[in-house]
Amino acid sequence: EDKVVQSPLSLVVHEGDTVTLNCSYEVTNFRSLLWYKQEKKAPTFLFMLTSSGIEKKSGRLSSILDKKELFSILNITATQTGDSAVYLCAKGSGGGADGLTFGKGTHLIIQP
Amino acid sequence: GAVVSQHPSWVICKSGTSVKIECRSLDFQATTMFWYRQFPKQSLMLMATSNEGSKATYEQGVEKDKFLINHASLTLSTLTVTSAHPEDSSFYICSARGPYSSPLHFGNGTRLTVT
Repeated sequence: EDKVVQSPLSLVVHEGDTVTLNCSYEVTNFRSLLWYKQEKKAPTFLFMLTSSGIEKKSGRLSSILDKKELFSILNITATQTGDSAVYLCAKGSGGGADGLTFGKGTHLIIQP
Repeated sequence: GAVVSQHPSWVICKSGTSVKIECRSLDFQATTMFWYRQFPKQSLMLMATSNEGSKATYEQGVEKDKFLINHASLTLSTLTVTSAHPEDSSFYICSARGPYSSPLHFGNGTRLTVT
């Protein structure tokens, strides 16, 4: 059973649309929830969330964590073709030295 | 911000040979680095945790004798794929945690193709 589940697995929208990507996780040994954007190469960091209800924002991207319901969402408003990528959600565990557990990712395609 | 450099970015090798991949933290010291593998259209899977000055910790199902990890200094970890086979062809990515509990930063990855 997957420990981090993302949905949808793929999404195609038009430029200018708003998208919401979902991530649910197991509570076991939870420390943080992270979002990454992966284009052709390695993931680039977007957000790290540790507290419920506090929205993190960076330009058109925002994310929030719900530790009671064990999920997080990543919102992208006014999407652009450059937002096309795989968005990965990852759970950070333990004492800080543990590697991340990734979900399968959401493949987002923004059509012009 | 924290920068992680990985080398080479791609390598093609013949079956049976060994390949070494380097991961360096450029502007910080990393006592712990992580190695991931990603097959096409799949997520990153943690292979092992590399600890400076001690043995690496391998995830279940990862052969430690095949994927040799050396973390000889606070800024360098290496992954050697020994006796590579075509099924080892994958995208290998290292990561390190920056200072003060900052999030993991990733190298640009190494595309390994074994023929």
